[in-house]
Amino acid sequence: NAGVTQTPKFQVLKTGQSMTLQCAQDMNHEYMSWYRQDPGMGLRLIHYSVGAGITDQGEVPNGYNVSRSTTEDFPLRLLSAAPSQTSVYFCASSTLATDTQYFGPGTRLTVL
Amino acid sequence: SQQGEEDPQALSIQEGENATMNCSYKTSINNLQWYRQNSGRGLVHLILIRSNEREKHSGRLRVTLDTSKKSSSLLITASRAADTASYFCATLWNQGGKLIFGQGTELSVKP
Repeated sequence: NAGVTQTPKFQVLKTGQSMTLQCAQDMNHEYMSWYRQDPGMGLRLIHYSVGAGITDQGEVPNGYNVSRSTTEDFPLRLLSAAPSQTSVYFCASSTLATDTQYFGPGTRLTVL
Repeated sequence: SQQGEEDPQALSIQEGENATMNCSYKTSINNLQWYRQNSGRGLVHLILIRSNEREKHSGRLRVTLDTSKKSSSLLITASRAADTASYFCATLWNQGGKLIFGQGTELSVKP
């Protein structure tokens, strides 16, 4: 099993550009989530999904969209990038929200 | 606002000493989990303690949970330089499927 994979590993955007961060898991997990990590702020939940076709907002959802068309994939879309979205983004998955979370390696995003 | 808060924010100890980190949370929980993050890497699950448990052990790790005080502690015994990392607690809100992380404790173990 590859576990949780994220692409790209690094990305630089200009303000106003859009992009999609990819997340995929091959463990047949129902629960998937996106976090951003900023210095001194820990991990903050952006969006999460309890299954295909079901998504919900976390703590900091503004400026981000998600969709869950398959169990395996949970892409995160930045519609119009802003410097405040400069961060490291982690995707995680688990059988249920209550269970051990498996994290991807992260995407380091810089918005100029 | 974040559910869990770790204390201290940073901890520096010598190899062989014990390290204790604390986590406080605000609302009712189903369980509390501890994770470790090495610099620049994703988080790795260490241990999960359920709301009806008071203490749990895993190797050199000991976790306690006090639901009346809404707090948990992680003890790492006989620390090693390889334990140097950031440690996070995470709680699942009873209000929904949201797993919320604290800000973390940065542990430095000096050889």
